[in-house]
Amino acid sequence: SQQGEEDPQALSIQEGENATMNCSYKTSINNLQWYRQNSGRGLVHLILIRSNEREKHSGRLRVTLDTSKKSSSLLITASRAADTASYFCATDAMGSYIPTFGRGTSLIVHP
Amino acid sequence: GAGVSQSPSNKVTEKGKDVELRCDPISGHTALYWYRQSLGQGLEFLIYFQGNSAPDKSGLPSDRFSAERTGGSVSTLTIQRTQQEDSAVYLCASSIRTNGEQYFGPGTRLTVT
Repeated sequence: SQQGEEDPQALSIQEGENATMNCSYKTSINNLQWYRQNSGRGLVHLILIRSNEREKHSGRLRVTLDTSKKSSSLLITASRAADTASYFCATDAMGSYIPTFGRGTSLIVHP
Repeated sequence: GAGVSQSPSNKVTEKGKDVELRCDPISGHTALYWYRQSLGQGLEFLIYFQGNSAPDKSGLPSDRFSAERTGGSVSTLTIQRTQQEDSAVYLCASSIRTNGEQYFGPGTRLTVT
């Protein structure tokens, strides 16, 4: 089974609204990363948060990490139509060099 | 500077043929990863390289799949005797170190007819 699982699988919102996606994982991690994918091709790195960090910001993105609950959330504020994409979390389990990706959340932002 | 490049961008092949997929990582990136993504699915890890060596080949689906990396740079993923279930987008990523931010190429879309 997947180490990281995103929730919800799909999210549809209006431009200007906030979008929140969650990621849950099973084992202790070194770090957790969020990526974005447009049109089923290459992924773009958004944010890396380390296991000893609780929150990170980058522009309109806010990521939180709760290691006690083994979960992370990605918040996109003031969404734009251009934010339409799939968003994946990737976790590096302790002792592993292999990041494990979830199945992603498909976000649609309607103009 | 240049990002990760992959070639070809699209490949259509007949069942039973061999294919080679190429990945040019970012210069200086020691870690290189191959993934496979089927339509609407997440990324399936195939293999990763640290330098020229592949410490973990556990993700390769069968012995028809192999990969190599030469000079700590270019990597080739070879699929022998392709099957229809091999159809997917094959993604390559490189990283300056393991457990770090990965930079992805645009992928190769493989279609086996």
